[in-house]
Amino acid sequence: DAKTTQPNSMESNEEEPVHLPCNHSTISGTDYIHWYRQLPSQGPEYVIHGLTSNVNNRMASLAIAEDRKSSTLILHRATLRDAAVYYCIPLSPNDYKLSFGAGTTVTVRA
Amino acid sequence: DVKVTQSSRYLVKRTGEKVFLECVQDMDHENMFWYRQDPGLGLRLIYFSYDVKMKEKGDIPEGYSVSREKKERFSLILESASTNQTSMYLCASSSGTSVSYEQYFGPGTRLTVT
Repeated sequence: DAKTTQPNSMESNEEEPVHLPCNHSTISGTDYIHWYRQLPSQGPEYVIHGLTSNVNNRMASLAIAEDRKSSTLILHRATLRDAAVYYCIPLSPNDYKLSFGAGTTVTVRA
Repeated sequence: DVKVTQSSRYLVKRTGEKVFLECVQDMDHENMFWYRQDPGLGLRLIYFSYDVKMKEKGDIPEGYSVSREKKERFSLILESASTNQTSMYLCASSSGTSVSYEQYFGPGTRLTVT
């Protein structure tokens, strides 16, 4: 399994963008990069996933480096509801098992 | 929106008791999962079910069993609860098992075994 490195924590002000980096230098060529988040006292929530090109959805954008050794999750305008632990997870094409590391704890200041 | 519900948010049981955790999803998903989440150990898969009455062991099945008699319902059973099974238990469902399918989680059951 590919190893990931994420900062322990990040802080942001409300309405400002948040850029969450993830280093996954041992990722294989067919691994997808998934992001989930977990709000306090709740179950994890899917955010976004991608393979090579950048991806956007209503929650966030995912920018994947050309060499795929790193990626960045972008929350365009942080709200208080975005305060959560964010997990970056490389998954092989047939892998259904999620395994979270420590993730990045995002704090949003009002 | 997909909804995954779990029978209890908090549960306190005694050592040796048989414990049932229930999970229900309303999106007709084939696949359902039971995980446990512990500080420092992250999220670990206990069991996976890909169809009614079908199951596969995950990484830590010891001390647990599961039941899936109906598509929407997946139960986790602790045959004889022990203190090392004190944890947050999370149920999830998905419509597929390839990497393209996201998993939808319930709110979790925090189980304390005393």
